[in-house]
Amino acid sequence: DTAVSQTPKYLVTQMGNDKSIKCEQNLGHDTMYWYKQDSKKFLKIMFSYNNKELIINETVPNRFSPKSPDKAHLNLHINSLELGDSAVYFCASSQDPRGTRTNEQFFGPGTRLTVL
Amino acid sequence: GQNIDQPTEMTATEGAIVQINCTYQTSGFNGLFWYQQHAGEAPTFLSYNVLDGLEEKGRFSSFLSRSKGYSYLLLKELQMKDSASYLCAVLDSNYQLIWGAGTKLIIKP
Repeated sequence: DTAVSQTPKYLVTQMGNDKSIKCEQNLGHDTMYWYKQDSKKFLKIMFSYNNKELIINETVPNRFSPKSPDKAHLNLHINSLELGDSAVYFCASSQDPRGTRTNEQFFGPGTRLTVL
Repeated sequence: GQNIDQPTEMTATEGAIVQINCTYQTSGFNGLFWYQQHAGEAPTFLSYNVLDGLEEKGRFSSFLSRSKGYSYLLLKELQMKDSASYLCAVLDSNYQLIWGAGTKLIIKP
């Protein structure tokens, strides 16, 4: 029944490692997003995908790369992790924001990443 | 640049009414959202305004004035479970959501 799921929920790793976070939505939405929420609770958009096309790519380091094997999945790969990458990462999905009136985003439970 | 401003923290009493304000300056406007986020949880959708005026949904109402770049979220009959952060977000001309930093609402008995 889970609408937007992401794994793992917690991720603790060493600096320099490479890690991935997976996201899946079963809502039939066209667009998926990755957000970073830091200790100050500010939500920052990182990427969004619409029908497998990247439509927003904020100025995040190229160590971060989104991968979308199909419309229902948007995974986040992070290379050479740094201390400043520690944050909560949220996946979200919505209908195409250009098409519908109320295109609210549905969020996954978040992945708390801690880099030591 | 694009900017969303809302108070950092507010305190209110159980059973009372509280109004959380949000002002915005964005490149274009395609609607304004309010989300609720409990500590350690994901944001959840509360309301969406694209036309001027008041949208009411149970104990929660949201108001928009596009000419003033202003919105507020009104919470009535406050309950302890309403203690959370409330996030204002605007969909800009590129259909990108611009988020405020959130208002932490503390409810006291």
